[in-house]
Amino acid sequence: NAGVTQTPKFQVLKTGQSMTLQCAQDMNHEYMSWYRQDPGMGLRLIHYSVGAGITDQGEVPNGYNVSRSTTEDFPLRLLSAAPSQTSVYFCASSRTAFTYNSPLHFGNGTRLTVT
Amino acid sequence: SQQGEEDPQALSIQEGENATMNCSYKTSINNLQWYRQNSGRGLVHLILIRSNEREKHSGRLRVTLDTSKKSSSLLITASRAADTASYFCATAPQGGSEKLVFGKGTKLTVNP
Repeated sequence: NAGVTQTPKFQVLKTGQSMTLQCAQDMNHEYMSWYRQDPGMGLRLIHYSVGAGITDQGEVPNGYNVSRSTTEDFPLRLLSAAPSQTSVYFCASSRTAFTYNSPLHFGNGTRLTVT
Repeated sequence: SQQGEEDPQALSIQEGENATMNCSYKTSINNLQWYRQNSGRGLVHLILIRSNEREKHSGRLRVTLDTSKKSSSLLITASRAADTASYFCATAPQGGSEKLVFGKGTKLTVNP
């Protein structure tokens, strides 16, 4: 199994450009989420989904959109990139919608630089 | 805002020594989890402890949870150079378990 696959691994954008970070999992997990990791800030939740067709906001949702049309895919869209969105982005999934017993499985991240 | 805070921020030890990292959190939780992150990689789940559990073991890892003090500790015994990584605690808050909240991590260096 591939687990959680994120593409691309690296991306450089100019301010104002838009792009989509891809995330796919092959474990039939209900729950998927996006985090950003910044130095000294740990991981912060951007958006999450508890199942196909259902999404909700995390701690830092502004400037990002998500959709969940299938169980497998959870893309993250940057609408108009800003330098403050320079970060490493992680997609993660878990078997169930509630994290009582299900740990998160992480992808290897997308390193995004906005100039 | 961050729910969990790890202490210390950085820890450097010699191979064979034990490493202890602490995590404090603010609100009631359903469970607390520990993750490891090697440089440039995604996080890997280590252990999950539920709010009604006090101690859990997995190989060389021992996790304790004190809900009265809102704190947890991760002990790695007989450390190896391969244990060099950042370690994060994450909490699943009661009433919001869909949002796993991570601390800022402890950077562990194990010197050979």
